Amino acid sequence: GAVVSQHPSRVICKSGTSVKIECRSLDFQATTMFWYRQFPKQSLMLMATSNEGSKATYEQGVEKDKFLINHASLTLSTLTVTSAHPEDSSFYICSAIPGGLGAFFGQGTRLTVV
Amino acid sequence: GENVEQHPSTLSVQEGDSAVIKCTYSDSASNYFPWYKQELGKRPQLIIDIRSNVGEKKDQRIAVTLNKTAKHFSLHITETQPEDSAVYFCAARSPPGGYNKLIFGAGTRLAVHP
Repeated sequence: GAVVSQHPSRVICKSGTSVKIECRSLDFQATTMFWYRQFPKQSLMLMATSNEGSKATYEQGVEKDKFLINHASLTLSTLTVTSAHPEDSSFYICSAIPGGLGAFFGQGTRLTVV
Repeated sequence: GENVEQHPSTLSVQEGDSAVIKCTYSDSASNYFPWYKQELGKRPQLIIDIRSNVGEKKDQRIAVTLNKTAKHFSLHITETQPEDSAVYFCAARSPPGGYNKLIFGAGTRLAVHP
């Protein structure tokens, strides 16, 4: 199947700092990628849709200035958590859809803000 | 927007028994319904999917049924094995124009006991 790679897999940062997470499609081009957030034992909550060459589309309740998304190429989308706080600690996971049907997910990034 | 409900939240079965997970969706225009399996600490993996023009699809021990009129779809796992233990998520795809984004159900934690 298609490969989506996400880095880093784990990151610990201090409160107030920013963290960048990368999502790459390795064997296909992705004009659109999706960013999800998953709390322990909960579902995948869509945060935003990343669009290559244009602004991301954010879901209701997601702060655009807090979660900066950049999709500068057909194979790379980045999510930057700015001025992170402990409540931002979560599992962040990206996905892309090769061929227009099933989504393939990155490995996920476990963010811990201390 | 689309809303997906999933039941049960937990399911415990004996090895060899069948397991059924049910989901309902709200948007009658949704046209694609995948199922994902997520093991602890890992990324969700697509296990089976169904399009809105099909009523049933089967892949070895896994099958999915779709009732468009009632707006519900179900995952059926037969002859369950301990390695089937995981969290299963259903999802529905927003109609074209929604960037193919997937909305997920809350998840079902399946435990298969030897």
